[in-house]
Amino acid sequence: AQKITQTQPGMFVQEKEAVTLDCTYDTSDQSYGLFWYKQPSSGEMIFLIYQGSYDEQNATEGRYSLNFQKARKSANLVISASQLGDSAMYFCAGRGYQKVTFGIGTKLQVIP
Amino acid sequence: GAGVSQSPSNKVTEKGKDVELRCDPISGHTALYWYRQSLGQGLEFLIYFQGNSAPDKSGLPSDRFSAERTGGSVSTLTIQRTQQEDSAVYLCASSPGSSLMNTEAFFGQGTRLTVV
Repeated sequence: AQKITQTQPGMFVQEKEAVTLDCTYDTSDQSYGLFWYKQPSSGEMIFLIYQGSYDEQNATEGRYSLNFQKARKSANLVISASQLGDSAMYFCAGRGYQKVTFGIGTKLQVIP
Repeated sequence: GAGVSQSPSNKVTEKGKDVELRCDPISGHTALYWYRQSLGQGLEFLIYFQGNSAPDKSGLPSDRFSAERTGGSVSTLTIQRTQQEDSAVYLCASSPGSSLMNTEAFFGQGTRLTVV
């Protein structure tokens, strides 16, 4: 079974600074995938980045990178050079052999 | 269409009425999820369909909630005798089969349900 924990209800970051959003997971599956989604105020769910449990390299997608520490069961999202448009809810999710499980989300606000 | 389609996009109903929410997943996706999201809150898992397997109904909050998926494609979420606390955005998502764990879930735009 998957359990995703996001412990930061809200975060602030100065524009152009980097920010890390925390995510820890718990699973009994040998293989699994971890995802991050962004949900702006418009409500749509936007897929950002994926990390596989057997991937040796941390995933990167543009300004997004996933700091994957398997031994610590953490999959933190790092956003570099924050922009005002990054203000949104961010959800960490995990998937093993069964359904996708989501964390409760972190609200990020970028300050000009 | 290319994406997950949900209808209606908005629904206002009177307390005590039944409502049906529809989800058309991406063609070929065998997994389908329903989530509920109250204003400013996270995603609350409701139900998960995977192919012909029995659905995972562990997230349904009460027996007023039910869902079905016909022909492995379209899904309908039914809420009977709606209550004001049912007001939320109901999100549907689909993904390819469970063996493809490196593929994300694709979301619809949601149905905003308001019970008055």
